[in-house]
Amino acid sequence: GAGVSQSPSNKVTEKGKDVELRCDPISGHTALYWYRQSLGQGLEFLIYFQGNSAPDKSGLPSDRFSAERTGGSVSTLTIQRTQQEDSAVYLCASRGQGPEAFFGQGTRLTVV
Amino acid sequence: GEDVEQSLFLSVREGDSSVINCTYTDSSSTYLYWYKQEPGAGLQLLTYIFSNMDMKQDQRLTVLLNKKDKHLSLRIADTQTGDSAIYFCAESKGGKLIFGQGTELSVKP
Repeated sequence: GAGVSQSPSNKVTEKGKDVELRCDPISGHTALYWYRQSLGQGLEFLIYFQGNSAPDKSGLPSDRFSAERTGGSVSTLTIQRTQQEDSAVYLCASRGQGPEAFFGQGTRLTVV
Repeated sequence: GEDVEQSLFLSVREGDSSVINCTYTDSSSTYLYWYKQEPGAGLQLLTYIFSNMDMKQDQRLTVLLNKKDKHLSLRIADTQTGDSAIYFCAESKGGKLIFGQGTELSVKP
């Protein structure tokens, strides 16, 4: 597809379960970002991948959160032992050589 | 301060101009951005400005940048009801984008 694709669009999970969120960036984009948006809040930076460089993980809120980017393309954000405060919309963005960063539609995570 | 800051709400009448303001933190930011988020949707890139520019105009949108004061503004001319949304400014900082809290623009007919 032409845009950033995220799956699933909605995820309901029980507290304590692990979840995986997927992001397919725009083909050829070397930079990939994950953000979290809690209800009525702004965007909280989580992690940034740029090419083959070590990712900037400075925004991950706890060691329950991790992300991988395989082959410089698809990325997976994993949240282990989910808590109710993890409920939010998780947004992924990608950027190519230019300055424009494009966002996916997000995954709405609800922890019950 | 450490944060990108925006006022939270703005209400205008249809046909008026809207001005959304933002202060950012990093004087070395290369690019500054404005994104629009409609209810239940992702973020749509509206426009961006390179840090060596003072102004950029794109149809109804005008971006003004004051580097000395680290102040960014977005002016929407002839505001329409379809412009009702949350507007986020963002700065590039070490390659990553840091966002403000967003300004909710309400356009009244």
